[in-house]
Amino acid sequence: KQEVTQIPAALSVPEGENLVLNCSFTDSAIYNLQWFRQDPGKGLTSLLLIQSSQREQTSGRLNASLDKSSGRSTLYIAASQPGDSATYLCAVTGGGNKLTFGTGTQLKVEL
Amino acid sequence: GAGVSQSPSNKVTEKGKDVELRCDPISGHTALYWYRQSLGQGLEFLIYFQGNSAPDKSGLPSDRFSAERTGGSVSTLTIQRTQQEDSAVYLCASSFYGKETQYFGPGTRLLVL
Repeated sequence: KQEVTQIPAALSVPEGENLVLNCSFTDSAIYNLQWFRQDPGKGLTSLLLIQSSQREQTSGRLNASLDKSSGRSTLYIAASQPGDSATYLCAVTGGGNKLTFGTGTQLKVEL
Repeated sequence: GAGVSQSPSNKVTEKGKDVELRCDPISGHTALYWYRQSLGQGLEFLIYFQGNSAPDKSGLPSDRFSAERTGGSVSTLTIQRTQQEDSAVYLCASSFYGKETQYFGPGTRLLVL
């Protein structure tokens, strides 16, 4: 059974700092990995999707990497802003196309 | 364009009652998913529809849960004889086809008293 773990569970940083969120998964047989953000009381917003054959994806200040063989992904956020405050979730797609989600990292960027 | 929509946004019901939750996927998306987000369990998969194929029901927690998708578009998740442990946020997502980016709706917050 696929298990996805995210470290740290919570993170508080000052505005402008670069930061890294970590995601690990136990079964490397995945089709892709997605990073989402969730704002309080809201649904999920997809940030980046990395196919299993890819090593990284970039969107603006976000960069996600994937090391499938070691079961790890990182989400790098450059020059963090208060608007980046949210819960960040990684999820992997395995057999059956369903997403298995990590436990999430709650990020707070302070002024 | 319109995203995934869900209704109702909030639902309060009494234990033992049946509830129906609705999901309207993005037009043209062939894949539709239901997930549940609860405090104790995080986000978990419930059911997946892909085109006209038989749905993947492997995540449904009990036979009180069922879902259908009519005409390859709108989906309804039904919970019969609700229990307090069913209280959660029920999220719907759709994608152009399986294994692609999933787009989520805002969710339905269900509270069973």
